[in-house]
Amino acid sequence: AQSVTQLGSHVSVSEGALVLLRCNYSSSVPPYLFWYVQYPNQGLQLLLKYTTGATLVKGINGFEAEFKKSETSFHLTKPSAHMSDAAEYFCAVSDLGGGADGLTFGKGTHLIIQP
Amino acid sequence: DAGVIQSPRHEVTEMGQEVTLRCKPISGHNSLFWYRQTMMRGLELLIYFNNNVPIDDSGMPEDRFSAKMPNASFSTLKIQPSEPRDSAVYFCASSLDRDYYGYTFGSGTRLTVV
Repeated sequence: AQSVTQLGSHVSVSEGALVLLRCNYSSSVPPYLFWYVQYPNQGLQLLLKYTTGATLVKGINGFEAEFKKSETSFHLTKPSAHMSDAAEYFCAVSDLGGGADGLTFGKGTHLIIQP
Repeated sequence: DAGVIQSPRHEVTEMGQEVTLRCKPISGHNSLFWYRQTMMRGLELLIYFNNNVPIDDSGMPEDRFSAKMPNASFSTLKIQPSEPRDSAVYFCASSLDRDYYGYTFGSGTRLTVV
């Protein structure tokens, strides 16, 4: 079974600073990996995903993530934070082994942007 | 496409009452998921349907919870009787392929049981 660990339930950065949200996973098979964003009182929205091919994945709103198999990581970054980036971010991994679990989500990281 | 549509957006009910949450997935998607989100437990998968058939309901917390998907365009999650600890945001999500494309989530139903 797969699992996801997001380091830091809260991350605070200044507007214009680098955003780094950490995600480590465990999976017995090559994973599909996802980042979702949740704004207040809304559902989760897909930011980006890694399935196969290039390990650096670009998503919406200037975010990108890099799949590092050796480190079992899929950290999310954005070069310059904007106030509108304040939200909850979830990392998720897919079980490709045919299990019924589908996506397993991390606990989430609340991103706070300081003016 | 209107996306995944959930209704109602908010529901306040008294303990012991029956609650029915509704979901219309994206047309053509063959997988549907019900999740519950709380501050304490985060996102929990309750049940997963594939081609309208329940595949895994191991996340359903108790027999008070039941879910149906009578056709490809409609699903319900019912709680009977409801309890205060059921208060949460319930999300429905659908997917064309369970693993590859990720899920599209609805806006959720915020349930408050008093």
